[in-house]
Amino acid sequence: QSVLTQPPSVSAAPGQKVTISCSGSSSNIGNNYVSWYQQLPGTAPKLLIYDNNNRPSGIPDRFSGSKSGTSATLGITGLQTGDEANYYCGTWGSSLSAGVFGGGTKLTVL
Amino acid sequence: EVQLVESGGGLVQPGGSLRLSCAASGFMFSSYSMNWVRQAPGKGLEWVSYISSSSSTIYYADSVKGRFTISRDNAKNSLYLQMNSLRDEDTAVYYCARDYYGSGSLAFDYWGQGTLVTVSS
Repeated sequence: QSVLTQPPSVSAAPGQKVTISCSGSSSNIGNNYVSWYQQLPGTAPKLLIYDNNNRPSGIPDRFSGSKSGTSATLGITGLQTGDEANYYCGTWGSSLSAGVFGGGTKLTVL
Repeated sequence: EVQLVESGGGLVQPGGSLRLSCAASGFMFSSYSMNWVRQAPGKGLEWVSYISSSSSTIYYADSVKGRFTISRDNAKNSLYLQMNSLRDEDTAVYYCARDYYGSGSLAFDYWGQGTLVTVSS
């Protein structure tokens, strides 16, 4: 069982918006920055969001991140079939000495 | 072009050892902290270990502490993971991943293709 809690799956229609939640505690999300990854089937994860709400170069602004207290949220607008993937949140744990990931959320674009 | 290429995976019996390598190219390896992340078949991501650019700071997940050792050779642009006392639950694809420079989060901007470690008798 993962330290960070994500819904196992979410779905939405093409063109719509979806949000994925990531719930933690004061020992991880509450006191550290959050990152988000996209993992397409059979490939390595790809960094989408770092430091709660920043996008690396090349990541479209359809992807956004936010954090409030001990929870974080990934938002994806203008859904495309190519967005179907597993999404993971991550952060440093207590004392910044161990990383933790959420269990992952499978996004289905209907 | 940044490239990370893992090697050294394979089939090993429980209690055995394996050494993974990650060859880095296309960037100044000695300036970046590095990590190992694993993914069991059909499961989610699990952070395994971190090493700073100069090897002065090293962290491990509790699940591997005392059994795995991370190291690097900046002269050879290489990252390593020595895995001892392997268990069935260590079976996974192991990725090396580069820290996103300047980020304060668990942010890895480049990943290798992964190498599969199977622990089974």
